[in-house]
Order: sequence, then C-alpha cells, then structure tokens
Amino acid sequence: EAEVAQSPRYKITEKSQAVAFWCDPISGHATLYWYRQILGQGPELLVQFQDESVVDDSQLPKDRFSAERLKGVDSTLKIQPAELGDSAMYLCATRLEAGTGELFFGEGSRLTVL
Amino acid sequence: GQQVMQIPQYQHVQEGEDFTTYCNSSTTLSNIQWYKQRPGGHPVFLIQLVKSGEVKKQKRLTFQFGEAKKNSSLHITATQTTDVGTYFCAGNTGTASKLTFGTGTRLQVTL
Repeated sequence: EAEVAQSPRYKITEKSQAVAFWCDPISGHATLYWYRQILGQGPELLVQFQDESVVDDSQLPKDRFSAERLKGVDSTLKIQPAELGDSAMYLCATRLEAGTGELFFGEGSRLTVL
Repeated sequence: GQQVMQIPQYQHVQEGEDFTTYCNSSTTLSNIQWYKQRPGGHPVFLIQLVKSGEVKKQKRLTFQFGEAKKNSSLHITATQTTDVGTYFCAGNTGTASKLTFGTGTRLQVTL
C-alpha cells in the first residue's frame, strides 16, 4: 500500500539551529499539506501546495519557516532559527486532488528544541 | 479565520457505553471529514460527508452532517477498547480547499 514518507522521524536540536523536514507524497497526489501538531491539540495547517504552487501559507511564520515543492513532488519544510516553542510533531499529508477526498498522513517528524 | 471546535475535549467511558463527539464550525463547510488518531500515531481518515443533513454509518460508528453544514457529530455505539484515541473533525472551505482540523475529542475506554 502506498504511503507518505517523512524524515527524519525524530529530531532534537538546540534553539537558534536550523532544521529541515522532508516529505515524499503518494505518487500522483497533487495536493500536499504541512501541519504542525502540538501535543494534545489538533493539527494546525502551516502550508498547502497544489502541485508546485503554494495555495495557502497564511499560517506559516515566514520570518523563520519556509517550505518548497520545487518539482511538484516531494517537499521540504525548513525552520531557521528554531525556537523552544517550535517543539511539536510536523505532519505531512497528501491527497489526490484539492477540495475533496481523504488525506493520507505520514508518520510525522517529532521536533524537540532544547 | 475559520475555527472548528469540538466537545467534549475528553471523555472516559466503560466498555459497552455509547460515546458522542460534536463538531462546530464558525463558517459554512463544503464538506467535513472525520479522522482517528491513536496514541503515538498519525490521523487516519474515517469518512467524508458532503450533503446537508447527511448520515453515514460504519459498523458501530454513525456520522451526521448538520442541515446548515456548520456542524457534525460522531456517535459510537457500545464502545470497545479498540476505539481508544482522539477523534478529529476537519472542515473543507472555499475554493482553496483549506482543511481545518477541529480541537479533537480524546476517548478513553476501560473494561
């Protein structure tokens, strides 16, 4: 069964360092989301891509976060510099088309900032 | 911005009891989805509702979409320990198909 791949699974870093997360969607899935989930809360949308274009990044803290999906396939989310409050699970999710249909989530990347 | 709230935040039931979680959106939704997240896991899709007043069943789970397409509910009949987890609703809005997750309801089931 096709899966959304994410790496790394776990990342521990010190504040002010740079971190990067990678997501490889299910083949053919045009829509890709990055969500941040703080323990005990619901996933919060950071950025949404349709193919290689950003559709919504209104909730992305652009002073420190960046995301790209250059060829419309895999995607990278970067944080520089990391802050203590960035400690969370970063979830990548994809779906076949925008607007409808289930989201397939990866296992997530758990970030701890010390 | 759009907000999606769920109540209760947490519920603890004994196995065999029923459970219901309610989802309310501040804006009208084009469709609503439900996900289950087991402890330590990632959200897994359960169902999507599209039509006003729609009701769908999956074995012991019953999902309902409100007439105004701003609220939804998930009812589990005769809970089992395998139902443990957090249940999230997620609403699709607008042409950009932004999917906003609710605050979640954590269900604990004990024997």
